[in-house]
Amino acid sequence: QLQLQESGPGLVKPSETLSLTCTVSGGSISTSSYFWGWTRQPPGGGLEWVGSVYYSGTTYYKPSLKDRVTISIDTSKNQFSLKVSSVTAADTAVYYCARETKGSSSWQWGQGTLVTVS
Amino acid sequence: QSALTQPASVSGSPGQSITISCTGTSSDVGGYNYVSWYQQHPGKAPKLMIYDVSKWPSGVSDRFSGSKSGNTASLTISGLQAEDEADYYCVSHAGTYYIFGSGTKVTVL
Repeated sequence: QLQLQESGPGLVKPSETLSLTCTVSGGSISTSSYFWGWTRQPPGGGLEWVGSVYYSGTTYYKPSLKDRVTISIDTSKNQFSLKVSSVTAADTAVYYCARETKGSSSWQWGQGTLVTVS
Repeated sequence: QSALTQPASVSGSPGQSITISCTGTSSDVGGYNYVSWYQQHPGKAPKLMIYDVSKWPSGVSDRFSGSKSGNTASLTISGLQAEDEADYYCVSHAGTYYIFGSGTKVTVL
């Protein structure tokens, strides 16, 4: 059974770079059938899609975030990562990683991890 | 890139049916059959309830149904139950990215 687990620092200082990793178990990340993405949710707020990466390394980002966001994939470790640069308090959120099915809107999510910028 | 428009809140009594709307544009909801609905209880990760406008993931009750007309997608919950009280979000493909709805709080009276 596929599982996704987010990991990384829970506290980041303003102006620094937020870095998270999603480790995938129970299935290979090196498949043409899925994208691997990140969605975030500020405390008390709504969901916001951040971006995703294909096994080939091709990336897609939310246009308003693309200048600060980098998503990468490491097929040897079955992991993909998120970096958000120049963070502010507005980047404080629960960050979820997800497997996005190509050609479908069926996603499978991790449990999420809270990152606080302070 | 503005969030898709959902009503802030919808309520109903047990056993009733309610419908949540999700309005976008021809560049997102109206342009693709890639609309999903998520249920989220406090402190929990979102749970997929409907995908590809009207398909059910394994294990999801058929009391939940999805549809789309033009630029508006809808989620209907039939036979409302206490455990349906939660926040609900729609999300739509928009070409090279996804857009979430603003979220709807469902209250069971």
